[in-house]
Amino acid sequence: GENVEQHPSTLSVQEGDSAVIKCTYSDSASNYFPWYKQELGKGPQLIIDIRSNVGEKKDQRIAVTLNKTAKHFSLHITETQPEDSAVYFCAPLDTGRRALTFGSGTRLQVQP
Amino acid sequence: DGGITQSPKYLFRKEGQNVTLSCEQNLNHDAMYWYRQDPGQGLRLIYYSQIVNDFQKGDIAEGYSVSREKKESFPLTVTSAQKNPTAFYLCASSRDGTGQDTEAFFGQGTRLTVV
Repeated sequence: GENVEQHPSTLSVQEGDSAVIKCTYSDSASNYFPWYKQELGKGPQLIIDIRSNVGEKKDQRIAVTLNKTAKHFSLHITETQPEDSAVYFCAPLDTGRRALTFGSGTRLQVQP
Repeated sequence: DGGITQSPKYLFRKEGQNVTLSCEQNLNHDAMYWYRQDPGQGLRLIYYSQIVNDFQKGDIAEGYSVSREKKESFPLTVTSAQKNPTAFYLCASSRDGTGQDTEAFFGQGTRLTVV
């Protein structure tokens, strides 16, 4: 199965600063790399994803970069806002099971 | 509105009782999944189903059972054999699990408490 490690576990930034969260995975055949945001008491919501045929994808203040050789991908949030405060999960696809394997999560706190 | 509906939102169970959590989707998705989340932790895969009438065990299937008799429904039963069932349970679906279209949509979860 897929082994996933996510760092850091907590991240505190000032409003307007950037935040970066990193995820490493073990399944070299994995071809789908999403990031989810979870607010308290709710289910995770997809915020951005990338497939293995590209190295970077941006959506306004959010970007994901992928290094398939090193088997890691990262979430970048620029100009952070208080509403970005939440728990973020990486969830690369386990190609054997064809199911997402979640990292342990990063609690992001944006200080106003 | 299309989406995934989990019910109930909160569930209390006495020790030794089985309980079934409901998950329904109207997205016409083939694949459905059950995850468990403990406080401050990530999501762990319990069971998954890529197609009707077929399902596979995930990482923590012991003490749980599922069925997939209909495309839109994937109920999870927490049996008395599950030693520590208190957790937040999340159901998800995706169009398919082949890697071509694997964006997963989640329900709002069921918080199960054993009393």
